[in-house]
Amino acid sequence: DAGITQSPRHKVTETGTPVTLRCHQTENHRYMYWYRQDPGHGLRLIHYSYGVKDTDKGEVSDGYSVSRSKTEDFLLTLESATSSQTSVYFCATGTSEQETQYFGPGTRLLVL
Amino acid sequence: SQKIEQNSEALNIQEGKTATLTCNYTNYSPAYLQWYRQDPGRGPVFLLLIRENEKEKRKERLKVTFDTTLKQSLFHITASQPADSATYLCALEGYSTLTFGKGTMLLVSP
Repeated sequence: DAGITQSPRHKVTETGTPVTLRCHQTENHRYMYWYRQDPGHGLRLIHYSYGVKDTDKGEVSDGYSVSRSKTEDFLLTLESATSSQTSVYFCATGTSEQETQYFGPGTRLLVL
Repeated sequence: SQKIEQNSEALNIQEGKTATLTCNYTNYSPAYLQWYRQDPGRGPVFLLLIRENEKEKRKERLKVTFDTTLKQSLFHITASQPADSATYLCALEGYSTLTFGKGTMLLVSP
């Protein structure tokens, strides 16, 4: 898994609560990504980072923010969780913008 | 934006047969295309990358073809085994990153 960990692995929260998911990598990869995966939609990019403090929006960024203060950590924050954000969230890393990506084990988030 | 189509229906085959999965895309032809494997409850794992100037690429029992005229990639697993059962995703370059297809589930029965 290219030394990628995600925490927590499972979380149940209530609507309106802020939630932060963490991705940690030990590979010193420049690029990091957050995806969500839902039945019928496949993997959809939320946000990505191309370096420390450099981030950009993906296809489904509304309601999410990210931060990257260190090469190894990429945080995804749901400012005020909604039931539509119930999903499986995957972090990925890569050495170049559009080539091979290495995925973490995922975080299952349930928003009640 | 790039649209990717993979067969949403599961592919059921018998052990020992060749499995063939299809990935079709619209719009512009990418410089390369990738295939990933995803097991239930786990993240996708990279399998193969094929570039636009490569017609075919092999890795052990895996073979990928890339036809930029048809805008299609075929992914073959020869001598399939039950352990090959998984969902297979194709991915190609999108805006600033990869765009993934929804994947096709492969079920190999003994």
